[in-house]
Amino acid sequence: GENVEQHPSTLSVQEGDSAVIKCTYSDSASNYFPWYKQELGKRPQLIIDIRSNVGEKKDQRIAVTLNKTAKHFSLHITETQPEDSAVYFCAVDGASKIIFGSGTRLSIRP
Amino acid sequence: DTAVSQTPKYLVTQMGNDKSIKCEQNLGHDTMYWYKQDSKKFLKIMFSYNNKELIINETVPNRFSPKSPDKAHLNLHINSLELGDSAVYFCASSPREGYGYTFGSGTRLTVV
Repeated sequence: GENVEQHPSTLSVQEGDSAVIKCTYSDSASNYFPWYKQELGKRPQLIIDIRSNVGEKKDQRIAVTLNKTAKHFSLHITETQPEDSAVYFCAVDGASKIIFGSGTRLSIRP
Repeated sequence: DTAVSQTPKYLVTQMGNDKSIKCEQNLGHDTMYWYKQDSKKFLKIMFSYNNKELIINETVPNRFSPKSPDKAHLNLHINSLELGDSAVYFCASSPREGYGYTFGSGTRLTVV
């Protein structure tokens, strides 16, 4: 079955700097790659997604890149702000379900 | 108007008891899911339903029994609760396969 690996598990960046979270997957047939943000005590929320027919997608300060050949995709957050502090999950669709990565706890230092 | 609502939000119960969690979505989505989030924040799928039919049962113990009376509702009944069942349970829905989920607010289950 599909396997998703996510790195790093924790990430601390200075406010205003950029943050990058990387994921790899195993099933080359996967074609939908969402990212979720989960704030403390709250539900995961979809923040951006990408399909296999595009290599990059941007939405204001966040962007996702996909390399289908290498089977990896990344989340980029620029100009980080305190409200970006959360756990971020990458995910991959596979056989009628979404498989989640293990999560990255992002902390923004003032 | 909440898109995916779960009740209760918190559930504290003793080992051996039976409990239920309810989920309702008003998005008109065809597919609903139950995920379990453990203390390390790992999200693991338990069940998937499409239009009231069970699609995925991800090697969950028989003590867990989902029920979908219609495509807007997916409930989870748990028999003979064990300490290891303590977790946050999230309901989610999506329009169909290959689309993002909308999650409910979660049910924090604590078994003592």
